[in-house]
Amino acid sequence: DTGVSQNPRHKITKRGQNVTFRCDPISEHNRLYWYRQTLGQGPEFLTYFQNEAQLEKSRLLSDRFSAERPKGSFSTLEIQRTEQGDSAMYLCASSEPSGWSNEKLFFGSGTQLSVL
Amino acid sequence: DAKTTQPTSMDCAEGRAANLPCNHSTISGNEYVYWYRQIHSQGPQYIIHGLKNNETNEMASLIITEDRKSSTLILPHATLRDTAVYYCIVGEGDKIIFGKGTRLHILP
Repeated sequence: DTGVSQNPRHKITKRGQNVTFRCDPISEHNRLYWYRQTLGQGPEFLTYFQNEAQLEKSRLLSDRFSAERPKGSFSTLEIQRTEQGDSAMYLCASSEPSGWSNEKLFFGSGTQLSVL
Repeated sequence: DAKTTQPTSMDCAEGRAANLPCNHSTISGNEYVYWYRQIHSQGPQYIIHGLKNNETNEMASLIITEDRKSSTLILPHATLRDTAVYYCIVGEGDKIIFGKGTRLHILP
């Protein structure tokens, strides 16, 4: 399968613990995105990378959230001191930019986080 | 914030064409119209995008009005597998901002 891969699929943690998610994009894609989605809402943009550079981060994103893409391939999203409000589906997507538009984002199946 | 307005939900009979409207009255000249859909428990899936002209691919057709203030996604022969949330998005490509979308129910 050469699609976007996210691990783990599910994560249950206790409030105050740190969690880390991994995303492996499609190999030739140089852009990588993180989104968060809660029930009944559309995906909310968090941040994106072009190669290893983090180009934009949502103003709504708490300082407890950090994302890295050290070698321009896979990416990790870490949440420190988790809160119950962090419970959500975390989605990763990748794309290969083309001209004016990104055309197609390819999404993974997401990591479902539950904070108890 | 999302720049589009879509109905919350719609129904369509199986085998008929599903026409999903989207208003984007503040769209700027360089912004594209994108459509994605999300089937339950999966990540969103790209459907189609366009700038000014109507577009068609193997999944759907996109009709954009001449003033570009609205568009319609057409699924020509809806099947039960097309039941999903459909997102209409306007943007220049650096990031895709999702709204709440339209929940499309295909009725047998």
